[in-house]
Amino acid sequence: SAVISQKPSRDICQRGTSLTIQCQVDSQVTMMFWYRQQPGQSLTLIATANQGSEATYESGFVIDKFPISRPNLTFSTLTVSNMSPEDSSIYLCSVEDLLVRHEQFFGPGTRLTVL
Amino acid sequence: DQQVKQNSPSLSVQEGRISILNCDYTNSMFDYFLWYKKYPAEGPTFLISISSIKDKNEDGRFTVFLNKSAKHLSLHIVPSQPGDSAVYFCAARTFSGGGADGLTFGKGTHLIIQP
Repeated sequence: SAVISQKPSRDICQRGTSLTIQCQVDSQVTMMFWYRQQPGQSLTLIATANQGSEATYESGFVIDKFPISRPNLTFSTLTVSNMSPEDSSIYLCSVEDLLVRHEQFFGPGTRLTVL
Repeated sequence: DQQVKQNSPSLSVQEGRISILNCDYTNSMFDYFLWYKKYPAEGPTFLISISSIKDKNEDGRFTVFLNKSAKHLSLHIVPSQPGDSAVYFCAARTFSGGGADGLTFGKGTHLIIQP
């Protein structure tokens, strides 16, 4: 399976600031996804990051709050904008190559705390 | 409304015995189901999956059973080992249009293997 890294692994940020999270994969993949896991909750899909086109956002998530870039087949970024304490979560990227298999593989996550 | 439900927040099993984790879903459009294992401070690790055209899939100590009519699946781990202690997430997906959708997760079951 693909090896996925995320930067930063954790951060503590002030209210009103923004943080960009990077996701790097060691091989080219068709699809990349961004999830968040709020404290005590399950993983919730934020958006699908498509290479060469705009991300597709799930209900309740908007591009202004969570802008995503996908410049190539091995890299994506998620920005959490104008943060509030409610944004404190673990943010995870996942990858899938439809040509190879159907399962998604996850990065280690970025633990974000907003004060 | 939760489309994937794991009604047992925790489960304690003696080492060497069988662990059975249950999952129910409500969306009949789901056609692929996955189980993930998650340790603290790590991303979810893919365990095993099953397509909706099957009713059983086995991989070593792990077996997943799918009952489509009941919209129920279960993960059996036998024999249970101390390293199996983790949170287990059930996830489901559909395949739409030109590619796969993201995953819908349950809230997880914390499995504790007792010596």
